[in-house]
Amino acid sequence: QITLKESGPTLVKPTQTLTLTCTFSGFSLSTSGVAVGWIRQPPGKALEWLALIYWDDNQRYSSSLKSRLTITKDTSKNQVVLTVANMDPIDTGTYYCAHRDTAVAGAFDFWGQGTLVLVSS
Amino acid sequence: SAELAQPVSVSVAQGQTARIPCGGNNIGSKNVHWYQQRPGQAPVLVIYKDTKRPSGIPERFSASNSGDTATLTIGRAQPEDEADYYCQVWDRITAVFGGGTKLTVL
Repeated sequence: QITLKESGPTLVKPTQTLTLTCTFSGFSLSTSGVAVGWIRQPPGKALEWLALIYWDDNQRYSSSLKSRLTITKDTSKNQVVLTVANMDPIDTGTYYCAHRDTAVAGAFDFWGQGTLVLVSS
Repeated sequence: SAELAQPVSVSVAQGQTARIPCGGNNIGSKNVHWYQQRPGQAPVLVIYKDTKRPSGIPERFSASNSGDTATLTIGRAQPEDEADYYCQVWDRITAVFGGGTKLTVL
């Protein structure tokens, strides 16, 4: 059974760096074809993809946020970490991590419950 | 990158068929995935690779993809189908989500 869970601060100040951790179980991020992604959702708005890391450590980023994002993995701990630099109030929202597999043509087939991040001074 | 257009809202009478379109330039050449998001919950994959249902998703959920439009179809709509629905594709190395459609079951 695949599960993912996001963790990190609930409140960050503008200009600070946000660090979120996705801890997962039920799969290995060293298995070919597997990836973990981050998706966020401002309150009342649509989903927005942020970043993805593959089993082979290749990373992909949203072109509009690329300069502010870093995604890394720790396979031994079953964790993926996303950092977002220079946070702004418009970055407020729920941040999800999700499992992606080529077995489902690259869809995000399992999602964490999400973690709400408020950016405010 | 690709842009995916969805209507903001769709309404359907209980027991009837709902259709939610997702428009994009030559979207028929891409694999389209669909997610259901009930209020206060994380998204759930309901369709992948244009037409395939993950295990546990009711057969009432189906989809098609051709030309510039992909469509999610929900047959015999039930109150529990009331949710936001998002289409998603991979545009080269970038994931793109549609703006989402709120389905109301009357």
